[in-house]
Amino acid sequence: EAGVAQSPRYKIIEKRQSVAFWCNPISGHATLYWYQQILGQGPKLLIQFQNNGVVDDSQLPKDRFSAERLKGVDSTLKIQPAKLEDSAVYLCASSHGTSGGKTQYFGPGTRLLVL
Amino acid sequence: DQQVKQNSPSLSVQEGRISILNCDYTNSMFDYFLWYKKYPAEGPTFLISISSIKDKNEDGRFTVFLNKSAKHLSLHIVPSQPGDSAVYFCAASARYSGGGADGLTFGKGTHLIIQP
Repeated sequence: EAGVAQSPRYKIIEKRQSVAFWCNPISGHATLYWYQQILGQGPKLLIQFQNNGVVDDSQLPKDRFSAERLKGVDSTLKIQPAKLEDSAVYLCASSHGTSGGKTQYFGPGTRLLVL
Repeated sequence: DQQVKQNSPSLSVQEGRISILNCDYTNSMFDYFLWYKKYPAEGPTFLISISSIKDKNEDGRFTVFLNKSAKHLSLHIVPSQPGDSAVYFCAASARYSGGGADGLTFGKGTHLIIQP
């Protein structure tokens, strides 16, 4: 079974530019999550989707971050405009089913450096 | 406000001995706990989980213990092997917080080094 796929793996941009990340979850997984991991910290949840609906986006900085999962499969996370403090690894995870307490499986992440 | 704490940034253990990684939490709503292992340049890999209705869960060399009254959990690895060298993250979720939201809250991680 293929795991969670993410692209690109690395991205370097200048501040105030825009950037987008893509995630393809494990086949059949209804729930998809985006996390931000800053160096030296644990991952922090940004947004959770169930199918194509948003379940939790309470920690998403909505003035600059946006995410969508239009067909309930792939998802994109966008930052516009980027700030220096957005330098981090952006992790996508997915889980099976829609009830609580499911194991989340992570992709390899996209490492973003904002100069 | 850190709701999940891993107070040891690093831990060094001799190969073949037991590794014990600790985690404390403050949110009483957390009822599902997981341990993830992470190698450099890779995403976290799921190791083992435990529900709040249990106090122990075992899977091969890995055992997780949960002490709800102390809001403390630990991961035991025995025997420790060189391939166990990695960063270990403790994570927690409140499964029934409403609306299906069950995002994980992570600790900062403990870097486990297994010495030959």
